[in-house]
Amino acid sequence: EAGVAQSPRYKIIEKRQSVAFWCNPISGHATLYWYQQILGQGPKLLIQFQNNGVVDDSQLPKDRFSAERLKGVDSTLKIQPAKLEDSAVYLCASSPRGGRGTDTQYFGPGTRLTVL
Amino acid sequence: GENVEQHPSTLSVQEGDSAVIKCTYSDSASNYFPWYKQELGKGPQLIIDIRSNVGEKKDQRIAVTLNKTAKHFSLHITETQPEDSAVYFCAATSNFGNEKLTFGTGTRLTIIP
Repeated sequence: EAGVAQSPRYKIIEKRQSVAFWCNPISGHATLYWYQQILGQGPKLLIQFQNNGVVDDSQLPKDRFSAERLKGVDSTLKIQPAKLEDSAVYLCASSPRGGRGTDTQYFGPGTRLTVL
Repeated sequence: GENVEQHPSTLSVQEGDSAVIKCTYSDSASNYFPWYKQELGKGPQLIIDIRSNVGEKKDQRIAVTLNKTAKHFSLHITETQPEDSAVYFCAATSNFGNEKLTFGTGTRLTIIP
């Protein structure tokens, strides 16, 4: 079974530029998560989708971050404009069932973003 | 919301010795506690989890204990091997509300050959 795929793996941009990340979850998984992991910290949830609906985006900085999950499968996370403090690894995860936090979450390899 | 604290932040042990990582949580409603291992350049991978209806769970060299009264849980790795070197994260979540996973700050474990 293929795991969670993410691209690109690395991205370097200058502040005020825009960037987009892509995630393809494990086939059939209903729930998709985007996390931000700042160096030396644990992952922090940005947004959670169940199928193509948003379950939780309370920690998403909506003035600059946006995310969508088309047709309940792939997802993109966008930052516009980027700030220095957005430098982090952006992790995508998926879980099989309907958004229950007690389901195992399977993580992708992440996208390392550096904002100069 | 939930707050998870994890200690120590770094841990070095001789190969073959045991390693223990401890976490505390704040939300008494939390009832699911997974542990993740993150190797360099990779995403976190679940290694073991425990639910609030049990006090201990083992899987070969890895065990997790849970004390709900004290609101803390621990990861125990016995007979450590070089491939155990990684960053380990604990997490907690509740069956209520949005069931969000809250992660600890991580422990960098180094196994000394």
